[in-house]
Amino acid sequence: DTGVSQNPRHKITKRGQNVTFRCDPISEHNRLYWYRQTLGQGPEFLTYFQNEAQLEKSRLLSDRFSAERPKGSFSTLEIQRTEQGDSAMYLCASSPQAETQYFGPGTRLLVL
Amino acid sequence: AQRVTQPEKLLSVFKGAPVELKCNYSYSGSPELFWYVQYSRQRLQLLLRHISRESIKGFTADLNKGETSFHLKKPFAQEEDSAMYYCALIQGAQKLVFGQGTRLTINP
Repeated sequence: DTGVSQNPRHKITKRGQNVTFRCDPISEHNRLYWYRQTLGQGPEFLTYFQNEAQLEKSRLLSDRFSAERPKGSFSTLEIQRTEQGDSAMYLCASSPQAETQYFGPGTRLLVL
Repeated sequence: AQRVTQPEKLLSVFKGAPVELKCNYSYSGSPELFWYVQYSRQRLQLLLRHISRESIKGFTADLNKGETSFHLKKPFAQEEDSAMYYCALIQGAQKLVFGQGTRLTINP
């Protein structure tokens, strides 16, 4: 499968713990995006990378959230001191320049 | 603020009947609009984008700037069209702004 991959697919954690998700984009896609989707809603933009540079962050991305794309390939999204409100599906997408975004399967996070 | 509204959370039609999923948007400038679809247990995928003016799986969507709408239509629904549909616009050539989605069910 040469599409966008995300790991883990599911994560259950206790409130206050830190979690990290990984996204591997389609090779040679220089743009990478993170979105969050809660039940009954469409995906909401979190942040965007062009190569290794993080060019935009949503106000949804509180200081407990951090994202990196160290070598312009895979990306990680870390949530520190998780809260129950962080429970959601976290989606990653990639695109070659400003074109169609291809989505991964998502990581479903449940914070107990 | 840029916004996409899909007024129907649920839509149910019979196989062979016409389908129309509504989408309205607010955007200053020339919008670029998309329809994404998510079939059961599959990832979100692009169905069509207005600039390509294609018909995918029998679906079409016309951008109406006067009514700020981008409704998705298909003349004859098929059972395999049952899915979650999201209308979206792209802001700043970067992030997608999605509507809440419409769950379409095609009854046999």
